[in-house]
Amino acid sequence: AQSVTQLDSHVSVSEGTPVLLRCNYSSSYSPSLFWYVQHPNKGLQLLLKYTSAATLVKGINGFEAEFKKSETSFHLTKPSAHMSDAAEYFCVVSDHGRGSTLGRLYFGRGTQLTVWP
Amino acid sequence: KAGVTQTPRYLIKTRGQQVTLSCSPISGHRSVSWYQQTPGQGLQFLFEYFSETQRNKGNFPGRFSGRQFSNSRSEMNVSTLELGDSALYLCASSPAWGDNEQFFGPGTRLTVL
Repeated sequence: AQSVTQLDSHVSVSEGTPVLLRCNYSSSYSPSLFWYVQHPNKGLQLLLKYTSAATLVKGINGFEAEFKKSETSFHLTKPSAHMSDAAEYFCVVSDHGRGSTLGRLYFGRGTQLTVWP
Repeated sequence: KAGVTQTPRYLIKTRGQQVTLSCSPISGHRSVSWYQQTPGQGLQFLFEYFSETQRNKGNFPGRFSGRQFSNSRSEMNVSTLELGDSALYLCASSPAWGDNEQFFGPGTRLTVL
């Protein structure tokens, strides 16, 4: 079965400092992993995805994530936070298995990122 | 290319009523998935449609149903509304069934009074 654990429900950083949002996953198969961002009253926007190519994945807006199979982790980082990064971030694993759950997305509970000026 | 559109954006209903939400996928996308987002349960998968057939279903009661039309547009219906159905309902589209990169619409905010 697939599942995602986001280790922090809230993260606060000062503008210009690094961001680290932590995610651990569980998957029966070789997973696809994603990070999505949700700004208030908006839908979900894809930041980046891992699909078994390079383990360091670069996304939009300066974000990147590293897939570590031995640690079953897929942490999201950004070197320097901007006020516009304040939002909720979701780590997501997708099922590559067979049958009826193929392609289904499993979401973490989200991490609310606050950026202080 | 236009993104996923959902109508209406906001909806207020009372308990016991039914509601229909609409989703138009990105042009050329044939798979549509629906998700429910609540503060208590987070984001939960409802169902996925491809080629007018439900391919995948989450763990929701039968009051939640959906369909897909030949132009890939999809509707979801919730009958006999309960207070706990208040949520943001998100629709996502992808080119084909099993594509795990999904593109989300802005959602429909349903409030049940």
